[in-house]
Amino acid sequence: ETGVTQTPRHLVMGMTNKKSLKCEQHLGHNAMYWYKQSAKKPLELMFVYSLEERVENNSVPSRFSPECPNSSHLFLHLHTLQPEDSALYLCASSVRVGSYEQYFGPGTRLTVT
Amino acid sequence: QQQVKQSPQSLIVQKGGISIINCAYENTAFDYFPWYQQFPGKGPALLIAIRPDVSEKKEGRFTISFNKSAKQFSLHIMDSQPGDSATYFCAASMGSGAGSYQLTFGKGTKLSVIP
Repeated sequence: ETGVTQTPRHLVMGMTNKKSLKCEQHLGHNAMYWYKQSAKKPLELMFVYSLEERVENNSVPSRFSPECPNSSHLFLHLHTLQPEDSALYLCASSVRVGSYEQYFGPGTRLTVT
Repeated sequence: QQQVKQSPQSLIVQKGGISIINCAYENTAFDYFPWYQQFPGKGPALLIAIRPDVSEKKEGRFTISFNKSAKQFSLHIMDSQPGDSATYFCAASMGSGAGSYQLTFGKGTKLSVIP
């Protein structure tokens, strides 16, 4: 595996379910990010981690809970989501927070029913 | 102030033509302006980037033009090919201050290059 991988690629969940998205980067980077991509809206930065420590949380609802157990893995735990949370969730990494170039994974297409 | 406005929303160009996508920003603290390319089913990938100390940067068929006084920058794709059909995002970032190192993205332009 190279670059940034994300699983699952597609996820359908009910509003009462609990699920997790997984991201893994194989680039030796120290910073990881979660973004939300909705149709006709700019990419929205959700969380930033630097060496497993959260450095940014852009006013994201608590139904989204990130976890970064090490610098290569990032999770997004989901619970009691709303239909408007349906979107493409992208993970990205960079050499460090402060590096301008970010490398994105293919995303998880989430549908909340 | 953190917004980046991108136009057009969609663009259809004949093969061999020039594709032009424009972006405008308000925050003069931005000091890095990348363009990302996204194919269906893939994440965005960095295409080309520019800093405000230069007015133009060219990489192959892709050129960024930067107008600091107008706070605008644009992507030109010369000799557009069907393989260039993708969604293009402009973005901006700054190296210090509140929100530093965060990429602020435009809404994207869906480019279709027809044979």
